[in-house]
Amino acid sequence: LAKTTQPISMDSYEGQEVNITCSHNNIATNDYITWYQQFPSQGPRFIIQGYKTKVTNEVASLFIPADRKSSTLSLPRVSLSDTAVYYCLVGGDNAGNMLTFGGGTRLMVKP
Amino acid sequence: DAGVIQSPRHEVTEMGQEVTLRCKPISGHNSLFWYRQTMMRGLELLIYFNNNVPIDDSGMPEDRFSAKMPNASFSTLKIQPSEPRDSAVYFCASSFTSGRVYEQYFGPGTRLTVT
Repeated sequence: LAKTTQPISMDSYEGQEVNITCSHNNIATNDYITWYQQFPSQGPRFIIQGYKTKVTNEVASLFIPADRKSSTLSLPRVSLSDTAVYYCLVGGDNAGNMLTFGGGTRLMVKP
Repeated sequence: DAGVIQSPRHEVTEMGQEVTLRCKPISGHNSLFWYRQTMMRGLELLIYFNNNVPIDDSGMPEDRFSAKMPNASFSTLKIQPSEPRDSAVYFCASSFTSGRVYEQYFGPGTRLTVT
């Protein structure tokens, strides 16, 4: 079972780019990397998913090196509303591969 | 689409009582997930259904917990008997799965308090 390691917390300021790195040294061949965002009193919300190289959508970018042992979520020009907990998940190959939420990274965006 | 619907939103019960949480997934999704979130343990996957069939229930804490999905539009998570340590927020999520699990859509959660 792939385990993920993320920083417990990060601080940033409005308008800055934020990069959150997740380590997953024992990622399996069929595992995907998925990031979620969670605000207080709400369920997590999907941000982005990738397998290798780089994925970009309207919210974020996901960078995955060739060895896939880590990944970096990049949030461009954060605002106060981006203050949340960000989770990195590895797995989800639809073969009973459990999806495990780790402790997440608590991002605090300051004015 | 109304999104994933969970009921009740809040439940307060006494130890020993039966508790039933309900979930209606998004129409067209073929996978359903039950999670539990506490401050101490974070967000834990309890059980995962694919096409109404439980794929893995190894996250279910013990025999007091049971989950069913009688059809594609309804699932229940039952705790009998409930204990104070079951107090948590229980989330239901659904997704479309084909070769891999695509993005999960989470419901608003049910906040359970067992006294």
